[in-house]
Amino acid sequence: TQLLEQSPQFLSIQEGENLTVYCNSSSVFSSLQWYRQEPGEGPVLLVTVVTGGEVKKLKRLTFQFGDARKDSSLHITAAQPGDTGLYLCAGGGNQFYFGTGTSLTVIP
Amino acid sequence: KAGVTQTPRYLIKTRGQQVTLSCSPISGHRSVSWYQQTPGQGLQFLFEYFSETQRNKGNFPGRFSGRQFSNSRSEMNVSTLELGDSALYLCASSFSRGYNEQFFGPGTRLTVL
Repeated sequence: TQLLEQSPQFLSIQEGENLTVYCNSSSVFSSLQWYRQEPGEGPVLLVTVVTGGEVKKLKRLTFQFGDARKDSSLHITAAQPGDTGLYLCAGGGNQFYFGTGTSLTVIP
Repeated sequence: KAGVTQTPRYLIKTRGQQVTLSCSPISGHRSVSWYQQTPGQGLQFLFEYFSETQRNKGNFPGRFSGRQFSNSRSEMNVSTLELGDSALYLCASSFSRGYNEQFFGPGTRLTVL
């Protein structure tokens, strides 16, 4: 059983389209992080959300933490081929849990 | 500033053997965490080391162990390798305890035949 479920698992879109990735849990997290991983590399931290209801923007990426701190979303506006990669949400206390991952392909 | 380095990058072993992987954290970082990444299970937490002590451990059998040295470098060891241990092993370093601001290395790809 995965503590953090992401949807969709796979996403293939055209350049310029918008998309949203969801990260859901039945557990409350004090904070959630989002990472992007490219083939042959380790994950790179994009953002940390801490407060319920918080919205953070990173250029064309918008991250939201649910009010109950059990879920989060990542919205990408006008996706570009450089956004291609595996997107992972993560969080934890003593142990650290990663989500199931969303593999995004942006087609030029 | 140099990033997290892991050696070796690729490794092929046979069942029953043991393996040691190495991780050098970013200079000044004292916390090192290890993760296993497989297509089926995704990224799973193995353990966290801080100041040469294991602080937290994930749900892996005792065949998986690690240690951290006084210079913060860390090693993980897997004994009696099984086919299912084939995975990408990632280490991450951070300045303090916990999992904020983790910087990941490129990983060691282990194949068990």
